[in-house]
Amino acid sequence: GQNIDQPTEMTATEGAIVQINCTYQTSGFNGLFWYQQHAGEAPTFLSYNVLDGLEEKGRFSSFLSRSKGYSYLLLKELQMKDSASYLCAVSFQAGGFKTIFGAGTRLFVKA
Amino acid sequence: DAGVTQSPTHLIKTRGQQVTLRCSPKSGHDTVSWYQQALGQGPQFIFQYYEEEERQRGNFPDRFSGHQFPNYSSELNVNALLLGDSALYLCASSLGTGGTEAFFGQGTRLTVV
Repeated sequence: GQNIDQPTEMTATEGAIVQINCTYQTSGFNGLFWYQQHAGEAPTFLSYNVLDGLEEKGRFSSFLSRSKGYSYLLLKELQMKDSASYLCAVSFQAGGFKTIFGAGTRLFVKA
Repeated sequence: DAGVTQSPTHLIKTRGQQVTLRCSPKSGHDTVSWYQQALGQGPQFIFQYYEEEERQRGNFPDRFSGHQFPNYSSELNVNALLLGDSALYLCASSLGTGGTEAFFGQGTRLTVV
């Protein structure tokens, strides 16, 4: 079966760096997404990793290791507005492509 | 350029009733996926429509059905509503079915009483 694990909650300080980990077990792996979701709002796309390595996009970076079934999202220079849920999602091929989501990591940024 | 739009935004239904939720994909997108998101949980995949056919389905009972129209818009129908069906229903559109980036609508908050 398919499974995605990520921490339930994290707390960090404004201006700091935080790393949110995600591990997954799946067959037919295609790619890994990170989405940000503020309370009561739709998820918004942050990153998509297909190959191993680090993808940097402004204050956000995402890393993937396919052999380890592991990814992380790195948020630098944290701002209060970064307080949100961060969803790890895996796309895999099972007679067509399907994307499944983890339960999300709720990040609280404190002053 | 309109993004993904869903209607209605909120809905209250009684147990046993039926509900239809609607989604218009982002311009240029041809694939629509539906998700159910319970409070504090990640989105759970319901099904995906492409070329007016259901292409993929998650672990949801037959009470959940859908449709895609020639203009790529989609409907999600839920019959015989249960209290446990109360959730945020999200529609995501993408180009093709190859696991590309999906854009989400704001969702429909369904409450079953």
